[in-house]
Amino acid sequence: ETGVTQTPRHLVMGMTNKKSLKCEQHLGHNAMYWYKQSAKKPLELMFVYNFKEQTENNSVPSRFSPECPNSSHLFLHLHTLQPEDSALYLCASSQTGGVSSYGYTFGSGTRLTVV
Amino acid sequence: GQNIDQPTEMTATEGAIVQINCTYQTSGFNGLFWYQQHAGEAPTFLSYNVLDGLEEKGRFSSFLSRSKGYSYLLLKELQMKDSASYLCAVRDRRTGANNLFFGTGTRLTVIP
Repeated sequence: ETGVTQTPRHLVMGMTNKKSLKCEQHLGHNAMYWYKQSAKKPLELMFVYNFKEQTENNSVPSRFSPECPNSSHLFLHLHTLQPEDSALYLCASSQTGGVSSYGYTFGSGTRLTVV
Repeated sequence: GQNIDQPTEMTATEGAIVQINCTYQTSGFNGLFWYQQHAGEAPTFLSYNVLDGLEEKGRFSSFLSRSKGYSYLLLKELQMKDSASYLCAVRDRRTGANNLFFGTGTRLTVIP
C-alpha cells in the first residue's frame, strides 16, 4: 500500500468501449498526475491537477478525458481507444507550493490492453 | 524540452557494486530524483539531489554534478531483490512547481 490506490489493476477493453480509471490518495496532497508508461519509453506526463484545477495537458488525444472532483480523487475516462494506447497508466500525487524532497507518491498503475 | 538519458539494461552479480548513470539537459533544473520500480508495482522513491555532491542512504547512494548535467545511483552489496528498473527523473521549474520528467529507466538484473 503506497497511499495512492488505483483501480482496476488490469483492464482489457475493445476499441468501441468506454471505461474509466480511478485514482485515490489519502496523503493530504494537493496535486495529482496521470502518466503513461510504455515499454522502452520514458514515463509520459499526460495531465496535471493542482487544487482540483487542470494545469497541464501535454497534447493528449481527446479520447483521454481526465476528471478531478476533489484533491483526493482523479479519474481518467477512456473512449474509442486505439491498440497503441495499451500501456501502464500511473497516477501520482505530491505537495505543491514549496520545494518537496520526496517528489511523487505513485500508485501501482492500471495495465490497460486495447483489443 | 528535457533530455534525460540512462542505459536501458545492466547486469551485475550478487554482492557486487553497480553504478547507474543518468545525464540530463534542462535550463530550469530544480532537483533530481531516483525511483525504483519492480515489475508490476509502483515506482518508489529512493533519493533526491538538488545540490552537488553525494547523498548516502544505507546501501544506496546518489551523486549529482549540476555543471555536467550528470547523476549516478550507486548500489552496494547487491541483493537479488535489487533486480528492478531504476528511473532517473528531473524536476524543471520552467514547467510547473513540481513536474517531473523521466528517463526510460534502467532495468537491472542481479545474478547469483
